[in-house]
Amino acid sequence: NAGVTQTPKFQVLKTGQSMTLQCAQDMNHNSMYWYRQDPGMGLRLIYYSASEGTTDKGEVPNGYNVSRLNKREFSLRLESAAPSQTSVYFCASRGQGMYSYNEQFFGPGTRLTVL
Amino acid sequence: GDSVTQMEGPVTLSEEAFLTINCTYTATGYPSLFWYVQYPGEGLQLLLKATKADDKGSNKGFEATYRKETTSFHLEKGSVQVSDSAVYFCALSEGAQKLVFGQGTRLTINP
Repeated sequence: NAGVTQTPKFQVLKTGQSMTLQCAQDMNHNSMYWYRQDPGMGLRLIYYSASEGTTDKGEVPNGYNVSRLNKREFSLRLESAAPSQTSVYFCASRGQGMYSYNEQFFGPGTRLTVL
Repeated sequence: GDSVTQMEGPVTLSEEAFLTINCTYTATGYPSLFWYVQYPGEGLQLLLKATKADDKGSNKGFEATYRKETTSFHLEKGSVQVSDSAVYFCALSEGAQKLVFGQGTRLTINP
């Protein structure tokens, strides 16, 4: 049981390049999330998917797109990377049910640098 | 919207010292409250949680009590260890889907 996995762990892009961050979970969770973490700002929600086939914007969606490929996988795409998108990106998932209490499980993160 | 404010860091303590990290929140409704911990180079892990007023969450010697009257959820530990060095995040549930995080508090414990 790997939990939440993310690839790649590290990435360096040039301004204007595109890339996709991959996330998968093996806990049969319905909800999945993408956050970015910047110094002194905590975690900010980029997009989330409450269930397979649905996606919704979070606090900072501009410059990003997402795809909920199936129940396991939720990808984040940067179409034209900008230096302001230099950050650490975390994927998370959450189960539904009486006792889940909104607890989210996090992946190890992707450290992205845009030059 | 809902928000979480944490004690600013960084916090540096000696081993076996008493720890308090303050967390206050503003929310409509009755959120669940959480403390997450992030060890160097890792993702966040749930440390403890409380789902209603006066609940006390506890784990690994850490405790926090859900105080509705003061809208607080302060994290405490009686005797910290070097291995507790990490970044600690307070969070609340917003609606059925989202978590709102504080800015994080970096804790360093010196031997």
